[in-house]
Amino acid sequence: NAGVTQTPKFRILKIGQSMTLQCTQDMNHNYMYWYRQDPGMGLKLIYYSVGAGITDKGEVPNGYNVSRSTTEDFPLRLELAAPSQTSVYFCASSYSGIEQYFGPGTRLTVT
Amino acid sequence: DAKTTQPPSMDCAEGRAANLPCNHSTISGNEYVYWYRQIHSQGPQYIIHGLKNNETNEMASLIITEDKKSSTLILPHATLRDTAVYYCIAPTSLNAGGTSYGKLTFGQGTILTVHP
Repeated sequence: NAGVTQTPKFRILKIGQSMTLQCTQDMNHNYMYWYRQDPGMGLKLIYYSVGAGITDKGEVPNGYNVSRSTTEDFPLRLELAAPSQTSVYFCASSYSGIEQYFGPGTRLTVT
Repeated sequence: DAKTTQPPSMDCAEGRAANLPCNHSTISGNEYVYWYRQIHSQGPQYIIHGLKNNETNEMASLIITEDKKSSTLILPHATLRDTAVYYCIAPTSLNAGGTSYGKLTFGQGTILTVHP
């Protein structure tokens, strides 16, 4: 099993550009999550999903959108990128919501 | 989520037990305590969780006080690879069964440094 994979690993965006961060898991987990981590800080939940077709906001959803059309994929969309969205983004999945498996992260810089 | 308080940093000698404390005085009776760790630049890694009884797995032991106001994560024989940030998390229960849907809030955690 590859576990949780994220692409790209690194990205530099200009202010106002848009992009999609990809996340795929091959463990048939129902629960999936997107977090962001600013330097020196803990992770903050952006969006989560409890199954295909079901998504909900986390602590910091503004400026982001998600969709969950399949069990495996949970892409995160950034519209009109802003410098405040410079961060490391982690995707995670879980069978029950208890033990979460994290991907390697995407390092995003908005300039 | 119940507020958790952890020391910002701790040191431990290699081969000795690392005891990481966490206070969570506002936790409810049906809410779990989770521990994760994050090794530099990597995604967090689940360690263990518990409700009110002590728990042990291949990575660590979790001791929860009888009043549930605090807990201690124990790494019995710390190695250099255990150097990481350790997070204690007590997510809000969304129903009587204690389900939180995994909506975790990671605070600042404890930076554990294991030295030779």
